[in-house]
Amino acid sequence: EAGVAQSPRYKIIEKRQSVAFWCNPISGHATLYWYQQILGQGPKLLIQFQNNGVVDDSQLPKDRFSAERLKGVDSTLKIQPAKLEDSAVYLCASSLYVVNEQYFGPGTRLTVT
Amino acid sequence: DQQVKQNSPSLSVQEGRISILNCDYTNSMFDYFLWYKKYPAEGPTFLISISSIKDKNEDGRFTVFLNKSAKHLSLHIVPSQPGDSAVYFCAASAKTSYDKVIFGPGTSLSVIP
Repeated sequence: EAGVAQSPRYKIIEKRQSVAFWCNPISGHATLYWYQQILGQGPKLLIQFQNNGVVDDSQLPKDRFSAERLKGVDSTLKIQPAKLEDSAVYLCASSLYVVNEQYFGPGTRLTVT
Repeated sequence: DQQVKQNSPSLSVQEGRISILNCDYTNSMFDYFLWYKKYPAEGPTFLISISSIKDKNEDGRFTVFLNKSAKHLSLHIVPSQPGDSAVYFCAASAKTSYDKVIFGPGTSLSVIP
């Protein structure tokens, strides 16, 4: 079974630029999550999709972050414009059901200079 | 407000001995708890979970204990192996919050050969 795929693995941008991350979850997984992990902290949920509907986006900075999940499969997370404090690892995860173990991708390490 | 706490940022244990990783939580509505393990440059991987209706769950060398009255859980690894060296995240969720998972800051475990 293929795991959760993410791209790119690394990205360096200047502040005020825009960036997009892509995630392909495990086939058949209805729930998809985007997390932000700042160095030394645990992953923080940004947005949770159930199929292609948003279940929770309470911690998504909506003035600069946006996310979509097309046709209930792939998802993209965009930051526009980026700030220095957005430097972090962005993790995508998926699960078969909502209350279930989540499978994480390798993450995208974003550095904003 | 940190709802899931892991007060030990790091832990060193001799190979073959027991590793005990601790986790405290503040939200009494949490009803499902998980432990994830993370190696460098990889996403977290699910290790073991426990429902609030139980006080112990065991899977091979890994056992999780839950003390609801103290709002405390612990992960025991016996015997510890060098391959167990990783960052361990405690996580919790509540049905009342659409099962949104809250992660602790992690404990870095080093198993010394």
